[in-house]
Order: sequence, then structure tokens, then C-alpha cells
Amino acid sequence: NAGVMQNPRHLVRRRGQEARLRCSPMKGHSHVYWYRQLPEEGLKFMVYLQKENIIDESGMPKERFSAEFPKEGPSILRIQQVVRGDSAAYFCASSPPIRTDTQYFGPGTRLTVL
Amino acid sequence: AQTVTQSQPEMSVQEAETVTLSCTYDTSESNYYLFWYKQPPSRQMILVIRQEAYKQQNATENRFSVNFQKAAKSFSLKISDSQLGDTAMYFCAFTTFQGAQKLVFGQGTRLTINP
Repeated sequence: NAGVMQNPRHLVRRRGQEARLRCSPMKGHSHVYWYRQLPEEGLKFMVYLQKENIIDESGMPKERFSAEFPKEGPSILRIQQVVRGDSAAYFCASSPPIRTDTQYFGPGTRLTVL
Repeated sequence: AQTVTQSQPEMSVQEAETVTLSCTYDTSESNYYLFWYKQPPSRQMILVIRQEAYKQQNATENRFSVNFQKAAKSFSLKISDSQLGDTAMYFCAFTTFQGAQKLVFGQGTRLTINP
């Protein structure tokens, strides 16, 4: 059973460009979480999605950030008009539909904004 | 607000020694889960151990065990017979049974095991 997949692993963008981060949950998992980790800090919750629904986006910045988890395909975290402060590691985690208390993490995407 | 505090930014011990990492949390919920995650230099988040708050017995996983003190809201991690591969950042995390069950993380403790 493959683990949570994230791509790309590293992403470099110039200020003002768009960043798209992808997450494929573990097989059978229908819950996806996105977290952001700034340098030397712990992970901070951004958004929680189920298939075709955003359940909790209380940790998402109000502007420039959006997330989706379509019926088919990976979950996407989209950052428009990136700024240097968006440079961070972005982690995706998934959990199964019945037992949501344990989350399994992907390897993360390290975003660098030049 | 729910918070998790790790008061030890860095720790260092010799190989084969025992080390204890501290974690305290704050919540008004009575049912919740606590976790320790390990983040080695590869930055992958690896689940080390999990504790359910309604269980009195402390969780153990091989060389890893916890000391869960619910009244004190304390959840420390003990690593016995430490190995070089245990070198990593360790994060304490918390989630409730309610709502989104999002994880709340502490700031982390950087643990170095010296040969």
C-alpha cells in the first residue's frame, strides 16, 4: 500500500507566480489535511478536505490560497501571486473514512520563493 | 484555544542512554488523542506513538514509551537505549474527537544522539 504521495518535492517560484502543490492520499483514504511548516517551527493546520468538499479552512490565509480535492485525482493546494513569506514546507496528510484520529503524512513539498 | 508546548528546544545525549522529551498541552475537551511525531533530516513526518486520553495505560512502542498525566496535561516521551537513527526533530501533537480533528503541534525538540 503506497503511502501519501506529494509532488513536486521541491518547487521554486519567483514572486508573483503561481504555485500548485499536489497530494495523493493513501489508497482508501478520503480525508486530506494540509499543513504548513515555516523554518524552525512546528506544523500549522491550513485546511481539511473530503472528496469534493472543504470541511475546515480556518487555517488558510484569506487571500491567494485555495485548496480542492476533486472526485477524481489528487488534492491541490494552490497559491497565487506568491510572496517570499510563502516559502515553507507544505505537508499533506490523509486518514481513512472511518478512523480519522490518525493522520499519515506525505514527504512534503518545499516551496522556495525567489 | 488548544495549545501544545514543548519547553526543550534542543537536547543531546550519548548513544544507548535514555532521554525524556517534555510536552504539555491545554484543552477543555475530555476526549482527545496525543501523538509524538519524528522528523528526521529527510523532513518526512513519522508517527512514533499515539495515546488515547480515555485510556489510563501509557502507550509503548518498542523503545518508545510515554508518561501521560491527564490531570497535569502532560505527555512526555521516553526513548530507551537511544540509537543514532533517533536523531531528529520530535513534535508533540494533539487532536480532539470533535470537528475536523486537525492536529495541533508543538514547536518541536531537536534531539541529537551522539556516538
